[in-house]
Amino acid sequence: QSVLTQPPSVSAAPGQRVTISCSGTTSNIGNNYVSWYQQLPGTAPKLLIYDNNKRPSGIPDRFSGSKSGTSATLGITGLQTGDEADYYCGTWDDGLRAGVFGGGTKLTVL
Amino acid sequence: EVQLLESGGGLVQPGGSLRLSCVTSGFTFSNYVMSWVRQAPGKGLEWVSGISDSGGSTLYADSVKGRFSISRDNLQDTLYLQMNSLRVDDTAVYYCAKSSRLLEWYQYDYWGQGTLVTVSS
Repeated sequence: QSVLTQPPSVSAAPGQRVTISCSGTTSNIGNNYVSWYQQLPGTAPKLLIYDNNKRPSGIPDRFSGSKSGTSATLGITGLQTGDEADYYCGTWDDGLRAGVFGGGTKLTVL
Repeated sequence: EVQLLESGGGLVQPGGSLRLSCVTSGFTFSNYVMSWVRQAPGKGLEWVSGISDSGGSTLYADSVKGRFSISRDNLQDTLYLQMNSLRVDDTAVYYCAKSSRLLEWYQYDYWGQGTLVTVSS
């Protein structure tokens, strides 16, 4: 059971937009930055979004992040087949004094 | 170019020990918090442990506390994870991860390729 809650799967057609939610509590998302990671099959996670809504250099602006209260959202526009991957949200939990992740969301581009 | 290269994984019996290493290059290792994150087969990411830039502060997930020990050698730019009293549910790919900025513990901008630890009799 993950500390952060994500939907197990989402799907959309190429070119469409999809959002992935990440729900937590005041001790984690509510009081810390949220980051998002993309994990393509058989590879290591890759940072997509940090500080709730900032993109590292090289990440296209099709990827966006937002946070409100104890929830965060990853948005992906102009979906491509290459976006098919598992997506994870992550943050810090002040009560646990530990890093925490969501259970991951599998994106299927139909 | 930032690189993180893990090694030391393998097959070990329950109750055994392993020491993982993560050799880094391309950044000033001694300036950053470093962490270990694991992923059991077919499962999600799980934060395991983190260590401050100087090595003076360490944190652990409850699931490994008392059994695992994180350390670093800032002269060799290398991160370690000593794993003792291994259990079957410690089976996972173990990634080392670099924090994205100074003094931060939980946003990771670079990850290694991972090393597989299998605990089985």
